[in-house]
Amino acid sequence: GQNIDQPTEMTATEGAIVQINCTYQTSGFNGLFWYQQHAGEAPTFLSYNVLDGLEEKGRFSSFLSRSKGYSYLLLKELQMKDSASYLCCRGSYIPTFGRGTSLIVHP
Amino acid sequence: NAGVTQTPKFRVLKTGQSMTLLCAQDMNHEYMYWYRQDPGMGLRLIHYSVGEGTTAKGEVPDGYNVSRLKKQNFLLGLESAAPSQTSVYFCASSSFSAKTNHEQFFGPGTRLTVL
Repeated sequence: GQNIDQPTEMTATEGAIVQINCTYQTSGFNGLFWYQQHAGEAPTFLSYNVLDGLEEKGRFSSFLSRSKGYSYLLLKELQMKDSASYLCCRGSYIPTFGRGTSLIVHP
Repeated sequence: NAGVTQTPKFRVLKTGQSMTLLCAQDMNHEYMYWYRQDPGMGLRLIHYSVGEGTTAKGEVPDGYNVSRLKKQNFLLGLESAAPSQTSVYFCASSSFSAKTNHEQFFGPGTRLTVL
């Protein structure tokens, strides 16, 4: 299979930094995506990594290690509006999603 | 651009009834996907299409059929609805041109309840 593992739930404080990890099966890999999904809404694209290293986009960064089958999403300067589910997704053409990490940001 | 649209937004069916969910995209994307999302299960791929006239099975295809007669439309059919098909259904599309990140664009979802 193409198991994708990520934590079910995380909590953090407004203004803090949080790292959401994702591990996946490495065979046939062709890209790793992160999506954000607010309750009752559709997922929206956050980041895409196909090569090793860190991709930074404003407050959000995503890291990939292809040899380790590992990625993380880093959220800095957390805001209340960042409370959402974060979905790790492996693959471009035939995507496979993890079960999502519910992030709760409290004051 | 409207992006990806889905109709209907909500539907309640009785067991054994049939229905069709319509997905439309105006971005000229080649790939289109149908997912279902259940609590604690994440997004699971039902069927997908790599172009007009082609479809393929995803992770959970049983009980569903699809058609892509036009590039912009992807239809999901339930021939005989079952309570296990109660879910939120999302359609998505993507392009694999050099100018994109290959990300998926999602429709707003259809909330289906089967009694």
